[in-house]
Amino acid sequence: ETGVTQTPRHLVMGMTNKKSLKCEQHLGHNAMYWYKQSAKKPLELMFVYSLEERVENNSVPSRFSPECPNSSHLFLHLHTLQPEDSALYLCASSPSRGYQETQYFGPGTRLLVL
Amino acid sequence: AQKITQTQPGMFVQEKEAVTLDCTYDTSDPSYGLFWYKQPSSGEMIFLIYQGSYDQQNATEGRYSLNFQKARKSANLVISASQLGDSAMYFCAMRDITTGNQFYFGTGTSLTVIP
Repeated sequence: ETGVTQTPRHLVMGMTNKKSLKCEQHLGHNAMYWYKQSAKKPLELMFVYSLEERVENNSVPSRFSPECPNSSHLFLHLHTLQPEDSALYLCASSPSRGYQETQYFGPGTRLLVL
Repeated sequence: AQKITQTQPGMFVQEKEAVTLDCTYDTSDPSYGLFWYKQPSSGEMIFLIYQGSYDQQNATEGRYSLNFQKARKSANLVISASQLGDSAMYFCAMRDITTGNQFYFGTGTSLTVIP
């Protein structure tokens, strides 16, 4: 198993469903991130975890709920989403939060909310 | 204010030719890092190259090089000997001490390599 993995790769859900996105990193990194990528928009940072503690929450609606049970795993719990939440959700990790640190991304989950 | 500006929404290049993708950045921090990522249609963001603000020489990684002009605040990516597999979106990103948690990404440049 290499790098950063994400499951599922594709997800279709109704507005009343509850689902979770999973991210796992095998790089021994201490920081993990969730990003949202909508069409024709720059990547938007959603959440940052450092050593399993949430250190940033960029005004994300409460229908998105992150969880970081350990430094290798990150979840994004979804409930009562809106169609405008349809996007590519990318997970990333980095050794720490230093400005020189590269973030390594997973393959993403393409989410469609009907 | 935008931290990262990529002014080329789309670029075309002939196979085996070199191409330059433009990126300008905005920061008042003396310490920052500049990154380039490639995103194929599959969606994964692939790290290509890093340039630190204190680095004296331009970064190079195989066919990728970064033309770093600090005074102009530009960090252009040069891809030499383009290949068909280079067709993808390319994103420039920056991280500085003030925003250490966060990468600022540009809007990207779509590169198409023509056979």
